[in-house]
Amino acid sequence: NAGVTQTPKFQVLKTGQSMTLQCAQDMNHEYMSWYRQDPGMGLRLIHYSVGAGITDQGEVPNGYNVSRSTTEDFPLRLLSAAPSQTSVYFCASSPQGIGDEQFFGPGTRLTVL
Amino acid sequence: GEDVEQSLFLSVREGDSSVINCTYTDSSSTYLYWYKQEPGAGLQLLTYIFSNMDMKQDQRLTVLLNKKDKHLSLRIADTQTGDSAIYFCAEFSDGGYQKVTFGTGTKLQVIP
Repeated sequence: NAGVTQTPKFQVLKTGQSMTLQCAQDMNHEYMSWYRQDPGMGLRLIHYSVGAGITDQGEVPNGYNVSRSTTEDFPLRLLSAAPSQTSVYFCASSPQGIGDEQFFGPGTRLTVL
Repeated sequence: GEDVEQSLFLSVREGDSSVINCTYTDSSSTYLYWYKQEPGAGLQLLTYIFSNMDMKQDQRLTVLLNKKDKHLSLRIADTQTGDSAIYFCAEFSDGGYQKVTFGTGTKLQVIP
């Protein structure tokens, strides 16, 4: 099992550009989520999904979109990048729900100029 | 709102014990977790404790929970250089709305 994979590892964007951060898991987990990690702030939940076709907003959803067309994939889209979105982004999955052990990807470090 | 707080930094000598502390505010916590993040990697679950327990031991790790004071600690015995990482405390609460709240993380530096 590859576990949770994320691409790209690093990305630099200009303000206003859009991009998609990819996340995939091969553990047949129902629950997937996206977090951002900022210095001194811990991890904050952006969006989550409890299964294919179902997504919902987390704590900081503004400026981000998600979709879940398959169990395996959960891409995060930045619609119009802003410097405030400079962060490290982690995708995570768990077997059933948010209270289960979460398996994290290696992260994507995004810089918005 | 709910909050999980940790000190930002801890430095210990190799072979000593490390104690990482965490306080939380949500009284409807069901589980509390400790995650470890090594440089350049995602978080990995180390251990967890149910909120109706006050202690859990797992090899070199001891978790203590004081539910009255909403205080959680992680003790690492015989700390090794490989234990250098950021440690996150997190709580799962199910007070009608399930959520996991992560602390800010404590960076543990182990000095050889």
